[in-house]
Amino acid sequence: DAGVIQSPRHEVTEMGQEVTLRCKPISGHDYLFWYRQTMMRGLELLIYFNNNVPIDDSGMPEDRFSAKMPNASFSTLKIQPSEPRDSAVYFCASRQGSSYNEQFFGPGTRLTVL
Amino acid sequence: SQQGEEDPQALSIQEGENATMNCSYKTSINNLQWYRQNSGRGLVHLILIRSNEREKHSGRLRVTLDTSKKSSSLLITASRAADTASYFCATDASVFSGGYNKLIFGAGTRLAVHP
Repeated sequence: DAGVIQSPRHEVTEMGQEVTLRCKPISGHDYLFWYRQTMMRGLELLIYFNNNVPIDDSGMPEDRFSAKMPNASFSTLKIQPSEPRDSAVYFCASRQGSSYNEQFFGPGTRLTVL
Repeated sequence: SQQGEEDPQALSIQEGENATMNCSYKTSINNLQWYRQNSGRGLVHLILIRSNEREKHSGRLRVTLDTSKKSSSLLITASRAADTASYFCATDASVFSGGYNKLIFGAGTRLAVHP
């Protein structure tokens, strides 16, 4: 299995631009998580899905952030408009079944907003 | 605020020494997990300990859990330079948090093992 796949791996954009991050979870996993990691705030859970349905989006910082999961093999995290404080590494993770199972993380997307 | 808090924030040791990292949390939990992150990479699961377990081993890893003190420790024995990474504890409190089936991660301990 290829593991969790994220694209792009690096993204540099200018303030005000729209940014779309993509994630392909491991086949058969029914949970998908989006995290953001910064030095200041550590690893923050933004939103998670179960069977393609958003369950908890309380970590989404602002209305500028939105996430979708149109099917079991694809999810996007969109930031519109982007701001310099959105610069971070964004991780996608997936899991099969209950929280007693491990989460598998993707390699992350390093976002820089100038 | 974060559920898990690791201590120390950074640890520097020589190869062959043992490394101990601690994690404290605030609410009752179902289980606690430890993850490792190499620089520039995603997190990798190391070990899970359930709330009714007190100690668990996996290779050179030993995890303890004290639910009365709401704390856990990760011991890496006979450390190697390849163990250099950040280590995170993550707590699952889903039964106690409205059923949300998610992990909350601590801030991590940066471990440096010198040859």
